[in-house]
Amino acid sequence: DQQVKQNSPSLSVQEGRISILNCDYTNSMFDYFLWYKKYPAEGPTFLISISSIKDKNEDGRFTVFLNKSAKHLSLHIVPSQPGDSAVYFCAAPFMNYGGSQGNLIFGKGTKLSVKP
Amino acid sequence: EPEVTQTPSHQVTQMGQEVILRCVPISNHLYFYWYRQILGQKVEFLVSFYNNEISEKSEIFDDQFSVERPDGSNFTLKIRSTKLEDSAMYFCASKSDRSGNTIYFGEGSWLTVV
Repeated sequence: DQQVKQNSPSLSVQEGRISILNCDYTNSMFDYFLWYKKYPAEGPTFLISISSIKDKNEDGRFTVFLNKSAKHLSLHIVPSQPGDSAVYFCAAPFMNYGGSQGNLIFGKGTKLSVKP
Repeated sequence: EPEVTQTPSHQVTQMGQEVILRCVPISNHLYFYWYRQILGQKVEFLVSFYNNEISEKSEIFDDQFSVERPDGSNFTLKIRSTKLEDSAMYFCASKSDRSGNTIYFGEGSWLTVV
């Protein structure tokens, strides 16, 4: 079973505050995770990633945390800005006997609204 | 910054017609993909393509679908005999090499089957 789950369909945050987007997964063999941001009528834009050998990766205002024992990862955006309002997708490369494949399994996405 | 480009951005077609969606992946990339997103649903993997052949495909990618790289730059998705349920946003994507994990997506082609 290889699933990536985002159980919160939406999140509303005040500008300047922290946004925390959560993602759970089912396959402990996933070795890489990615976050994509998507505006309406546009393609997913790569945001940040993390290898399973790490528990944190930071890039500017964006930090991804990985908790392997809980099969959980989260994306923190600090400080949140109105331009961050978009749908955020968590994704992981599909695994088979050949190892990690290129095709990604996506979560359903969380719609973030950052209010001025 | 290099990007994946897709045409058309929106196409309306009658049920039963054939559709070709076109993509120009990032120039030095070797792996190419098609994904789709039906309105309100997840982004779903359709097919991956490497070294001029399909490397992986999902259950969605049945005989109705085909992909081709007719020249050195274009990557196409053909949908034969379209059905209403084929209405979706189709995303082309590419990746540089096997060791890289980041897949870069195009803006998408919105297909409406009526």
